[in-house]
Formats: sequence, structure tokens, C-alpha cells
Amino acid sequence: DTGVSQDPRHKITKRGQNVTFRCDPISEHNRLYWYRQTLGQGPEFLTYFQNEAQLEKSRLLSDRFSAERPKGSFSTLEIQRTEQGDSAMYLCASSLSGYGNQPQHFGDGTRLSIL
Amino acid sequence: AQSVTQPDIHITVSEGASLELRCNYSYGATPYLFWYVQSPGQGLQLLLKYFSGDTLVQGIKGFEAEFKRSQSSFNLRKPSVHWSDAAEYFCAVVGTNAGKSTFGDGTTLTVKP
Repeated sequence: DTGVSQDPRHKITKRGQNVTFRCDPISEHNRLYWYRQTLGQGPEFLTYFQNEAQLEKSRLLSDRFSAERPKGSFSTLEIQRTEQGDSAMYLCASSLSGYGNQPQHFGDGTRLSIL
Repeated sequence: AQSVTQPDIHITVSEGASLELRCNYSYGATPYLFWYVQSPGQGLQLLLKYFSGDTLVQGIKGFEAEFKRSQSSFNLRKPSVHWSDAAEYFCAVVGTNAGKSTFGDGTTLTVKP
């Protein structure tokens, strides 16, 4: 169990640029989640996958955001035409599937700073 | 819709004192409840979880939490706080249909020497 890995840890970019983050889940976990966390707030759900299927997307996930998990292993989260309000910590988590009783294991996040 | 409220934004306790962090949830059925801890610049670490059965659950680092259905609460406790416990604590609920976690806004714990 090597844990959930996120890359990069920190991304600084100019407004209007596109950014892509990567998440590698725990290898035996078939569920993968993306959350966004801003200062002073708890993580907010963005989307989750079971294997390669994207099962749920939050209304927070505007059309500038897209997530993929093409082979059911790692996932990418892309933000197009970044805005100031996108500055946040983006957290990835993984779990086994179940009835909600499987705890989610979190990576250390990617902190996005928009100049 | 499920929701979580953590009424205390910031709590300060002296080292060695007891601790209780409050969590109230809203969910139509019996939820799955979790407490996580987050240190600055890091992800969330699971402290403990409640699914069913005994309403007092034990976790890591000496933490425990009690599920009270009548009060829709899942408060986190520790009998004696250590300086290393200073961090942000999040309560979360997951519905029985699984999927996303819904988090509270967290409680920041400061430990005085």
C-alpha cells in the first residue's frame, strides 16, 4: 500500500491557462474521487469514478473542468481557461467499492494558485 | 440531501486536557460517519469511522467518537490532548448509496503548552 499519489504538489499558472493534475490511487481501489478545498472550508465533492466509469459529477464541475480515468487506474483532472476562483487545493481519494462503508484514502493534494 | 455541521470553527485546549469536537449531520437514514484529521499542506487522514453496532467507536491516536441517533451527532473525543494533535479536524457523512463524502467545514484545534 503506497498510498494515493498526486502530481504536481503545487501548480502556479496565469489566468486563462489550462492545467492538468494527475492522481494515482491505491492499486486495488476501484473507486477514485476528486474534491476541491478552499481555505477555511471542508473538501467539496467534484466527481467520482468506479473503474473507468464516471458515476457522478457535482454542479461545481463546470464545463471548464473535465476528469478522466481511461483505464480504471490513474485519473486526470483538467481545468481549461483557469480563473482566479479556481485557486484551491485539489484532493484525490480512492476506496474500494461498497455501500459507503469503505473509507476514502486521500492524497496530499495539488495546490493550484492562479496569478 | 446529506449535510454536516461542525459548530466550532476554532478550539483551544491546554496540553493534557480533554477534548470534544462537535459534529451534527443530516441524512434521511442511518449514515456512515467519519472523522478525518488534516495537517497543514497535507491530505486527510482517517481517524475513525462508524457504520453500525456499538455507538462508541475507537480510532487511531487515542481518539474515540460516539454516535447519537437521537441528536444526529457524532462527536469526537480524546481524554488527554498532546501538542501533536494540533491540526484541522473534519467530520464527514456518506449515504448508504455510497459515492461522495459530504464534509463539514472543519474545526481547527490549537494546543497550548
